[in-house]
Amino acid sequence: GAVVSQHPSRVICKSGTSVKIECRSLDFQATTMFWYRQFPKQSLMLMATSNEGSKATYEQGVEKDKFLINHASLTLSTLTVTSAHPEDSSFYICSASRDRGAYGYTFGSGTRLTVV
Amino acid sequence: AQTVTQSQPEMSVQEAETVTLSCTYDTSESDYYLFWYKQPPSRQMILVIRQEAYKQQNATENRFSVNFQKAAKSFSLKISDSQLGDAAMYFCAYRGETNKLIFGTGTLLAVQP
Repeated sequence: GAVVSQHPSRVICKSGTSVKIECRSLDFQATTMFWYRQFPKQSLMLMATSNEGSKATYEQGVEKDKFLINHASLTLSTLTVTSAHPEDSSFYICSASRDRGAYGYTFGSGTRLTVV
Repeated sequence: AQTVTQSQPEMSVQEAETVTLSCTYDTSESDYYLFWYKQPPSRQMILVIRQEAYKQQNATENRFSVNFQKAAKSFSLKISDSQLGDAAMYFCAYRGETNKLIFGTGTLLAVQP
């Protein structure tokens, strides 16, 4: 149980375009999902908390207009990187929990975004 | 704000030997959970073990065990009988009252055959 699917696994886009990343909880409902960014050989940096039916909560320093998060249903959250620039190139990971994290969070397999 | 510190950027262990990864954290909360996650080269995050702060007994999962010292705010991971498949980045993580998961900087574990 507790499977989180993330797509796409890899994406290459041109500067100035937008890219959407999907995160789905396959066998449970997730009222809250989290989005992380990870640079090579570094830790996971929490970007935002995605709340079903309400606005996302962004961490300090994260541009909410660049990283649009939508949590339209209890099983789907999307992260859209708008007007992408090469510095947005990174590894993005989502996570969710069926029990508010008490028993741990399940992570998606991540998305490697390359902006050229 | 809560912080998680892993002071060992890299560690190495011989196959079949035991290794301990260190983690300390800082919090003023009384109710929280601690986790160790493993990230192999595939970059898929895998939960290794969890500890509830209100439990004094150290968690164990097969070859993995923790030494939880609440007063010292220390949460180390011991891997016994190390296997080649244990080679990965290991992250210590804290989950408090906000339900957010806060990660340490990670320890890269190499297992020598």
